[in-house]
Order: sequence, then C-alpha cells, then structure tokens
Amino acid sequence: KNEVEQSPQNLTAQEGEFITINCSYSVGISALHWLQQHPGGGIVSLFMLSSGKKKHGRLIATINIQEKHSSLHITASHPRDSAVYICAVINRDDKIIFGKGTRLHILP
Amino acid sequence: DAGVTQSPTHLIKTRGQQVTLRCSPKSGHDTVSWYQQALGQGPQFIFQYYEEEERQRGNFPDRFSGHQFPNYSSELNVNALLLGDSALYLCASSPAREGRPNEQFFGPGTRLTVL
Repeated sequence: KNEVEQSPQNLTAQEGEFITINCSYSVGISALHWLQQHPGGGIVSLFMLSSGKKKHGRLIATINIQEKHSSLHITASHPRDSAVYICAVINRDDKIIFGKGTRLHILP
Repeated sequence: DAGVTQSPTHLIKTRGQQVTLRCSPKSGHDTVSWYQQALGQGPQFIFQYYEEEERQRGNFPDRFSGHQFPNYSSELNVNALLLGDSALYLCASSPAREGRPNEQFFGPGTRLTVL
C-alpha cells in the first residue's frame, strides 16, 4: 500500500463545478504539500500546510492531522485549472513522499 | 528572481551512455533535492544536497550520483543509462531551516529519453 493515496485518480468536470481532491496518508508528517503540474512537467507549489485550512483565490486546502487526511477544493472551476494535482507529505525524517496525482480535466 | 532553473530542457541518450543534468536553486536557497518522475507516476525522491554533501538518499542505485557546488547549484549524474531511466527529472530547492518543514520550489524539469 502506498504511503500517500489520492482520489480520484482522474476527474472530468464541467466549467463552474466545485472540485474536491482527496489525499490520505499513513505516516507521521510535519507538513503536507499540494502541488500542481501542467502538461510539460513544471510543478508549482499551491499550499504547504501543517494544520487547519488555507485559502488562495479559488483554491482551498484543508488538513485533519488526526484522521491523516487532506482535501484540495477548487471553487468555480475553469478549463485553465486542468492539470495534475499532487499531494506530497514531509515525513518525520524530513523526506517528501508523493502521491501519484489526480488528473483533472475541466470541460468548457 | 529567476526561481529554480534546470538544463537542458530535453535530452536524448542511448543505453549505456552517461548524462549530467544541472540545477540552479532559487535565490536564497541552499538545499537542493532531485526527483525522478516516470510517465503517469508521482515523483520519486533521488537525493538531497546541503552544504555540498548528500544529506539524504532515496532508493536509487549508485549509478545515480550528484554534486553540489559552493554557489548551491547542483548536478545529477546518471551512468550506464537504462531504458527505464527515461523520465522527467525534477530539481527542487528550499532554504535550510532547522526544526521546520520547508516548502520546496520546483524547477521545470529535464525530460530524459533513453533509446
């Protein structure tokens, strides 16, 4: 079993829909990243969080340390949000463990 | 601030050859990490350099080696290339802060194809 599991693996939605991507992990962590990767490979860090909730524009990330679960939400989704979203945790040894990513496709 | 830069962008090699990939960290960052991302997979940690030394290493064979220079830039070397080494190689930099998790900033990656 992977230490970081994401769901769904693939998600197709209509423009304007509310999107939720989930991440569950099985190791002790000091922080969790949500990353965005566009075709071509470049990765952008969206959030790093250790507790609670963070918001940036239409993006919201939450984490529940007790349940070892995090969610990434996108409100009013847009085709330019189409990308792979990757959850990555920093474990107690300061190593980053990545999920396999969720491929999001927003249809106009 | 140019952010994290990597070179080259793309590279094609044949089996058995050697390759060197380069990374310049974001200004103010002194820690560089390298990752391998196979098609359709999440990145896998190769190793991390700090103060010109390899500080941590993932499950990669000795064919994968690295170096960090006094200006904090870094190289990833892969010897005796295999077809399975074809991947996107990502470099990420972060500032070294004791006792705190560090946000990593990623470069655009180098896409290596081994024929």
